Amino acid sequence: AQSVTQPDIHITVSEGASLELRCNYSYGATPYLFWYVQSPGQGLQLLLKYFSGDTLVQGIKGFEAEFKRSQSSFNLRKPSVHWSDAAEYFCAVGDGSNYQLIWGAGTKLIIKP
Amino acid sequence: NAGVTQTPKFQVLKTGQSMTLQCAQDMNHNSMYWYRQDPGMGLRLIYYSASEGTTDKGEVPNGYNVSRLNKREFSLRLESAAPSQTSVYFCASSEGLAHEQFFGPGTRLTVL
Repeated sequence: AQSVTQPDIHITVSEGASLELRCNYSYGATPYLFWYVQSPGQGLQLLLKYFSGDTLVQGIKGFEAEFKRSQSSFNLRKPSVHWSDAAEYFCAVGDGSNYQLIWGAGTKLIIKP
Repeated sequence: NAGVTQTPKFQVLKTGQSMTLQCAQDMNHNSMYWYRQDPGMGLRLIYYSASEGTTDKGEVPNGYNVSRLNKREFSLRLESAAPSQTSVYFCASSEGLAHEQFFGPGTRLTVL
């Protein structure tokens, strides 16, 4: 069955430190991959997406993600986090053949001052 | 350009009551979606509409109905609300095959 796993429910990082959020997927076809961010009380906003081509993709707010087919992973990174990055982050996977995305359960990022 | 709008923002219902959640998008998108979000469960798709005039069930359709009124509007109806439907509901839209979805601000629904 298709699935997306975000192994970390919560992650705490000091302001200015680097960040990596993990996403693993199980998907039969070539995946389309997304990272979304949800600030408290808000809807979801797209950070970045991967469809094809360069496996390192750049997104908004200084985030990047790397697609590793051999590891079925699409981890999100940021070199230096800011207090405003505190939010919940969701990984999602689709294959372009239908209109449904498979969503991870989310990782809540907490920033220590 | 408002993007995706949802009404109401908050709603409290009693068990058995009915209500309709409204969603509209002004991006001329073909596809629209209704999700529910519960703690620790991410987003679960209730119904979607690939294009005007079509609707399909998602992962958790029981207890809900939808109407794609026109290209802009996609409503979600709870005919007889149950406490298990207490959740935050999000509407989203996308151009289609690109699958980048744009989300509304959500409706927080409590069923007592």
